[in-house]
Amino acid sequence: GAGVSQSPSNKVTEKGKDVELRCDPISGHTALYWYRQSLGQGLEFLIYFQGNSAPDKSGLPSDRFSAERTGGSVSTLTIQRTQQEDSAVYLCASSLGQVGNQPQHFGDGTRLSIL
Amino acid sequence: TQLLEQSPQFLSIQEGENLTVYCNSSSVFSSLQWYRQEPGEGPVLLVTVVTGGEVKKLKRLTFQFGDARKDSSLHITAAQPGDTGLYLCAGAKGGTNKLIFGTGTLLAVQP
Repeated sequence: GAGVSQSPSNKVTEKGKDVELRCDPISGHTALYWYRQSLGQGLEFLIYFQGNSAPDKSGLPSDRFSAERTGGSVSTLTIQRTQQEDSAVYLCASSLGQVGNQPQHFGDGTRLSIL
Repeated sequence: TQLLEQSPQFLSIQEGENLTVYCNSSSVFSSLQWYRQEPGEGPVLLVTVVTGGEVKKLKRLTFQFGDARKDSSLHITAAQPGDTGLYLCAGAKGGTNKLIFGTGTLLAVQP
């Protein structure tokens, strides 16, 4: 497809389980970003990738959160031992580069619910 | 720490009315972007402003970047139900594309 694709679109899991969220960016976009959004709120930056490396991981809330990107394309955000406060929409975006003013193109997000 | 505060948080108006949304910060940004987000979808970029004092128009929407590059406003003329959504401002610092998002303004335009 032409846009950023995220899967799954919805995920319900029990507290304590691990989850993996996937992001497939627009082809050719070297920069990839993960954000978290609570209901009706702004977006909270988590991490961004330039190619396969992550120059800025400063937004990851705890060491239970990790992300990787392989082949300069698909990225996976992993949350271990999920907690109820992890419930949110996780959004992924990609852009042509990480230089300022490049438009970020967003996927529709994964809605994560922790029971 | 929330660097970008938006006001109002919620706004419900009648079709045809005008409105202004504000995005304020004590920090200087190299550029500022405005996005609109509809339920169940990701944000979609409306505009990017980069120069202090810059004004950009997109049909009935007018965006302004403050002279000091610390704040911005979005003005909608003659609002329509299709303008309904969550409006988000986002600032970039330095030469990077890392965005700091505002708190959001939820707009509902009633027919």
